[in-house]
Amino acid sequence: GAVVSQHPSRVICKSGTSVKIECRSLDFQATTMFWYRQFPKQSLMLMATSNEGSKATYEQGVEKDKFLINHASLTLSTLTVTSAHPEDSSFYICSARLGQINSPLHFGNGTRLTVT
Amino acid sequence: DAKTTQPNSMESNEEEPVHLPCNHSTISGTDYIHWYRQLPSQGPEYVIHGLTSNVNNRMASLAIAEDRKSSTLILHRATLRDAAVYYCILRFFGNEKLTFGTGTRLTIIP
Repeated sequence: GAVVSQHPSRVICKSGTSVKIECRSLDFQATTMFWYRQFPKQSLMLMATSNEGSKATYEQGVEKDKFLINHASLTLSTLTVTSAHPEDSSFYICSARLGQINSPLHFGNGTRLTVT
Repeated sequence: DAKTTQPNSMESNEEEPVHLPCNHSTISGTDYIHWYRQLPSQGPEYVIHGLTSNVNNRMASLAIAEDRKSSTLILHRATLRDAAVYYCILRFFGNEKLTFGTGTRLTIIP
């Protein structure tokens, strides 16, 4: 089946530094990937839609200069949290679509970011 | 996307069937009903989806009411590995995004 791999699974960084999270579709090509954020005991919130070869589309309230998304190839999207602060500590999850626009999404296992 | 309403939590005994309800009274004709589940500390996992007819796959069954204002996810024989948060999501035809609600936290009792 379709597999989406996220790396790293956990990261701890100091306040003010930047962190890059990778999302790869291992056995399929994904023209579109999605980035979600989930705070403890809350649901997933869509942050942005990442399109291969073009700029990401951010949801309302998500700072595009803080959460940099790059989708340089059909199998890789990256999310960089710039100048991270403790309030950015969260569970970041990517997903990708295999097939047509109405196809189910396949999710990575998430990245637990802790900013100290 | 139209809104869904699910119970916050449910419990079920291991090896018994589980019926997870979802109300979606404002569903439109082009809304598909999707179910995903999220195990602890993992990303969500696709379970099943349907439009009007009941659907079955290896994981579960989806029963859709005739008026489409509600649906039920059926796990035929729950195991401890089925303990998760189950999300019922409406996604209209042509919408590539998924908008998650609060879901139902399913606890399986050994």
